[in-house]
Amino acid sequence: TQLLEQSPQFLSIQEGENLTVYCNSSSVFSSLQWYRQEPGEGPVLLVTVVTGGEVKKLKRLTFQFGDARKDSSLHITAAQPGDTGLYLCAGDPTGTASKLTFGTGTRLQVTL
Amino acid sequence: DAGVIQSPRHEVTEMGQEVTLRCKPISGHNSLFWYRQTMMRGLELLIYFNNNVPIDDSGMPEDRFSAKMPNASFSTLKIQPSEPRDSAVYFCASSSSGTGGKLFFGSGTQLSVL
Repeated sequence: TQLLEQSPQFLSIQEGENLTVYCNSSSVFSSLQWYRQEPGEGPVLLVTVVTGGEVKKLKRLTFQFGDARKDSSLHITAAQPGDTGLYLCAGDPTGTASKLTFGTGTRLQVTL
Repeated sequence: DAGVIQSPRHEVTEMGQEVTLRCKPISGHNSLFWYRQTMMRGLELLIYFNNNVPIDDSGMPEDRFSAKMPNASFSTLKIQPSEPRDSAVYFCASSSSGTGGKLFFGSGTQLSVL
């Protein structure tokens, strides 16, 4: 079983702070996805990274795929209360998203 | 588009009862997935269908669980008999080759087995 460990598990910060969430595995993935999940809802895809070393930016969110395609990070600049939620990484070994392995999750709370 | 629709949103049942969860995927999507989410184990893939055919059910915990997809617009996940350890949020997701591997999740069914 391919395991994806995320750190930290919980993060409580104030509005305006920066933060980084890590997603690590001993396995190589064809691609890696990041999702955000809000209470009572299903996960929503934020981004997919496919190339080792790739960096993608989505407004204040920066995603990086490790050179060896085993790890990834999510950096949020100037966090806002609307960023609050559960962040999940998901490794895709096949490139078809048919056998995603989800990470353990990072629960982020951003307060005013 | 209405998105992936799951019903019911909440289900409370007693141990030993049969539970049926329902899912309507996004029209035009040809892949459908059932996931289970718990605090202890996170989000786990139970089974997925492609063009209504079950492709991989290796994540189904045991024979008490079964899933069907009689047509492209409907799928069910059944637990019979249910046990307290089945309590979790069950998500359905759909995708198509045109979405580039993007999964669209429903809002989930919160199942509590007493």
